[in-house]
Amino acid sequence: QAGLAQPPSLSKGLRQTATLICTGNSNNIGNLGALWLQQHQGHPPKLLSHRNNDRPSEISERFSASTSGNTASLIITGLQPEDEADYYCSTWDTSLNAWVFGGGTKLTVL
Amino acid sequence: EVQLVESGGGLVQPGGSLRLACAASGFTFSSYNMHWVRQAPGKGLVWLSRISTDGSGEKYADSVKGRFTISRDNAKEVLFLDMDSLRVEDTAVYYCVRGNIQPAPGLDLWGQGTLVTVSS
Repeated sequence: QAGLAQPPSLSKGLRQTATLICTGNSNNIGNLGALWLQQHQGHPPKLLSHRNNDRPSEISERFSASTSGNTASLIITGLQPEDEADYYCSTWDTSLNAWVFGGGTKLTVL
Repeated sequence: EVQLVESGGGLVQPGGSLRLACAASGFTFSSYNMHWVRQAPGKGLVWLSRISTDGSGEKYADSVKGRFTISRDNAKEVLFLDMDSLRVEDTAVYYCVRGNIQPAPGLDLWGQGTLVTVSS
């Protein structure tokens, strides 16, 4: 089943801003938005942002999400060493009748 | 504490079967759809299946349809995944995931995962 498209890697410096991109189509992101997950090596994923771009209360304000057309974005400001992780986008696809994920972006904080 | 704890993973031969379980605690289990998602070693996340709050509705990814069965016991607050005709490519960490509705339908709580290895 087809998924969402994410760049495999992104490198940014400490205290910089990272923008992670997730591209879908009108059957998924364009219609329903996307949620974002963070996964550190050896740990389960953790929800960073809901599909409506709301942030769970325990998540830092440095993380924010937005959607424009068929593209979802996760913006991380003031990058910290602990932000180094894999980031996944996901949403429901109305054509596939299934949840779909992006392939993940590995964020490196230099 | 709000948590999901998976169990039942292990080594199984190709063609074999395995039953995974996920114990929920700290929230009203029967109010949430539940999902299984897996992650092959070094790979990304793949959604497998979803079950409705009362167990009456199930959805499956094409890759596991007809081989895997999702079920739940709301009285015991446990989610199951019965896996048959296992293949080498089913080797992965299997996550139990809560399906939230508010503020938008999603996947808001993940278990720690259980590793399934299919090998002869």
